[in-house]
Amino acid sequence: DGGITQSPKYLFRKEGQNVTLSCEQNLNHDAMYWYRQDPGQGLRLIYYSQIVNDFQKGDIAEGYSVSREKKESFPLTVTSAQKNPTAFYLCASSPNRDGYGYTFGSGTRLTVV
Amino acid sequence: AQKITQTQPGMFVQEKEAVTLDCTYDTSDQSYGLFWYKQPSSGEMIFLIYQGSYDEQNATEGRYSLNFQKARKSANLVISASQLGDSAMYFCAMREFYGGATNKLIFGTGTLLAVQP
Repeated sequence: DGGITQSPKYLFRKEGQNVTLSCEQNLNHDAMYWYRQDPGQGLRLIYYSQIVNDFQKGDIAEGYSVSREKKESFPLTVTSAQKNPTAFYLCASSPNRDGYGYTFGSGTRLTVV
Repeated sequence: AQKITQTQPGMFVQEKEAVTLDCTYDTSDQSYGLFWYKQPSSGEMIFLIYQGSYDEQNATEGRYSLNFQKARKSANLVISASQLGDSAMYFCAMREFYGGATNKLIFGTGTLLAVQP
């Protein structure tokens, strides 16, 4: 079955360390997205990519980096520059056409210890 | 700027009753799309229903319907015959064209629905 796989489900990081969250899709979707979710808040866009080898900053890109070397993969790196990285991270993908929403992964919960 | 507002942080409903979750939006675009997603405690986001701004009929998907009032800029979700499995966080979202063809979605803060037996 087609879908989006995020790994790991839970991740613990020490302060000052970079960490990479994985996102893989086999839906043949062109666009991929990373969102951050904090308690009591909606989803905020970190980065998005419309095509391979191209990506743009979202609303809260500071302290994060991404790459899009393959259509299927859109990993997110949380760097030590991100001041408050503890959150739930959701990856999504969509076709680049009207009327289509997102298919989401199951999320990664990152905790900084 | 485009914005989604969900004014109900939490709601209770009795099993088998209908419930309406409110959503208002703000946009200057003529063409836009509105979505509802369900997020159970496990965290995944599940697509429920979609309404295009030019659709004349309200969208329906099984027990879900979207009460679209364009002049009021509201897109309320109606769940009929609530079930215990409907207990979850519900998010309203709007499609925004961001720098081209990509369907960037902006989300409201969500409504936590609890279905009571």
